[in-house]
Formats: sequence, structure tokens, C-alpha cells
Amino acid sequence: GAVVSQHPSRVICKSGTSVKIECRSLDFQATTMFWYRQFPKQSLMLMATSNEGSKATYEQGVEKDKFLINHASLTLSTLTVTSAHPEDSSFYICSARVGQAAREAFFGQGTRLTVV
Amino acid sequence: AQRVTQPEKLLSVFKGAPVELKCNYSYSGSPELFWYVQYSRQRLQLLLRHISRESIKGFTADLNKGETSFHLKKPFAQEEDSAMYYCALSGHNQGGKLIFGQGTELSVKP
Repeated sequence: GAVVSQHPSRVICKSGTSVKIECRSLDFQATTMFWYRQFPKQSLMLMATSNEGSKATYEQGVEKDKFLINHASLTLSTLTVTSAHPEDSSFYICSARVGQAAREAFFGQGTRLTVV
Repeated sequence: AQRVTQPEKLLSVFKGAPVELKCNYSYSGSPELFWYVQYSRQRLQLLLRHISRESIKGFTADLNKGETSFHLKKPFAQEEDSAMYYCALSGHNQGGKLIFGQGTELSVKP
């Protein structure tokens, strides 16, 4: 199956700093990637849809100036949490589809962000 | 509004017992339904989808449009089935984004 890789898998940062999370499709090109946030033992909440070469589409209630998404190439999307606060601590997961018509999404291993 | 509901947060069964994880959805149209599984310390992965009508690892799920349900079933649970199970919905013309249910933790005891 297709592989989606996230980096880093864990990050601890100080309050007020910014953190960048990378999501790469290793063996396929992904014109669309998705960013989710997951709280412990809870569901995945879709944050935004990342489109290669264009602006991301954010879900209602997600601050686009706080969660900056860049999808500069067909294999890389980045999520930057700006001016992080403790309440941003969470598990962030990206996913990508193989081709526009494909329904199956492949998920990254996730990034555990802890803001202290 | 689009919504996926998994009423059970935790389901605990003994090995060999039948298991059914419930999923109900709300969507104005014909969505695609999926079950994703997350084993301990592993990433989320697709278990099955309603379009395929397949059985994966002994699990099956039938889409019931009348009841707007997509329950996941397995006749004889195994210990290795212990995991978090998420029901998800994808609507047409929505670019493939998934709406997830709250998840059900399945615990299969020996």
C-alpha cells in the first residue's frame, strides 16, 4: 500500500514558539492531503484540506492564521502551528489519497505535539 | 448536517464471541462509508468500505440506507482484534475528506 510519512513523530516546544510538521507521500503523488487533530481516545477532527499549488481549505472553527498549511509539491504538505499554546497540544495526523478518484486514504503515523 | 455516530465508546467481549460495532450516519445524499482501525501504537488504516462488499480479517459491514447504519460485525472475535475502530463517511464532491465517528475501543479478552 501507499506510504505517508510524518515528521517529527514527537515534538515538545515552548509556549509562543512555532512548530512545523511535515507530511510526505513516499511512493505516490498526492494533489490533496488532509490534516486531522486527534485528542486521546477521541475521534479525528478534520482541520483542513491541503491542495497542491493552492490555498488550503479550512474547516469551520479552525484558525487559518494559527495553523498554516503549505502544499508546495505533490509529495509534501506542511502544517505550522504558530505561536503555540498548551491548548494546542494534541496528536496531529495527515492523510493523502492516491489519485483524485481514489476513496481510500492513507494515514501518516501522526505527530504528538506538546506545548509547555 | 453530516455526522457519524458510534454510540459505544468501549466494547469488551471474550475471545470467540460475536462482536458488532455500531455506526449510524447522517448525510443528505449517498455517502461512502468506511471502517478504519487503529491498533496499539500503529497508524490508522483502512479495514473495509461499503463499496467493496468484502470481508477483511473476518469482519463485514453492510450499509443499511433505511436505517442509515453501517455496523461492523465479526462472528468470532480474536484477541488480535483489540483496537480502536472508527467509522467514517465521505460525501460526493467533497474532495475525499472523511468525517469520523467518535471511535469504539474493542477489547477482546482471552
